Amino acid sequence: KNEVEQSPQNLTAQEGEFITINCSYSVGISALHWLQQHPGGGIVSLFMLSSGKKKHGRLIATINIQEKHSSLHITASHPRDSAVYICAVSGGYQKVTFGTGTKLQVIP
Amino acid sequence: DGGITQSPKYLFRKEGQNVTLSCEQNLNHDAMYWYRQDPGQGLRLIYYSQIVNDFQKGDIAEGYSVSREKKESFPLTVTSAQKNPTAFYLCASSIDWRDEQFFGPGTRLTVL
Repeated sequence: KNEVEQSPQNLTAQEGEFITINCSYSVGISALHWLQQHPGGGIVSLFMLSSGKKKHGRLIATINIQEKHSSLHITASHPRDSAVYICAVSGGYQKVTFGTGTKLQVIP
Repeated sequence: DGGITQSPKYLFRKEGQNVTLSCEQNLNHDAMYWYRQDPGQGLRLIYYSQIVNDFQKGDIAEGYSVSREKKESFPLTVTSAQKNPTAFYLCASSIDWRDEQFFGPGTRLTVL
């Protein structure tokens, strides 16, 4: 079993829909990261959080430490949101474990 | 503009040849990392460096080597000992190991 599990693996949505991507982890962590990878391959860090909730524009990330679970929400989705979203957790010293990603396609 | 650059974006090499991938950052970050990404798998850590002239093996260091002679630069050499070198390679940096990592655009290496 992977230390970081994401669901769904693939997601297709209509423009304007509310989207949720889930991440579960099985290890103790100091922080959880949400990353976005566009088709060209470059990765952008969206959020780093250790508790509660963070919001940036149409993106919201939440984490429940007790349940070892995080969600990334996208409100009013747009085709430009199409990308792979990666959950990663920082655990022990210098250790970051990455999920395999959720591929999102938003159709106009 | 501050950021991380990797060059080249695409690289082709013949089997048995060593190849060096470049990673430069002007963010004044102490920590730098090299990851490998394969289809269907999460990023895997190859090597990391917390400070100049120091680096540590990650989870999949066999067949790779690095140097950290300058704070700004962390080149990765893929040697002929790496059995399956074709992959997408990403470099990242952070202020220190506890902080958010910033990623470069990546280099796609194909060994023919």
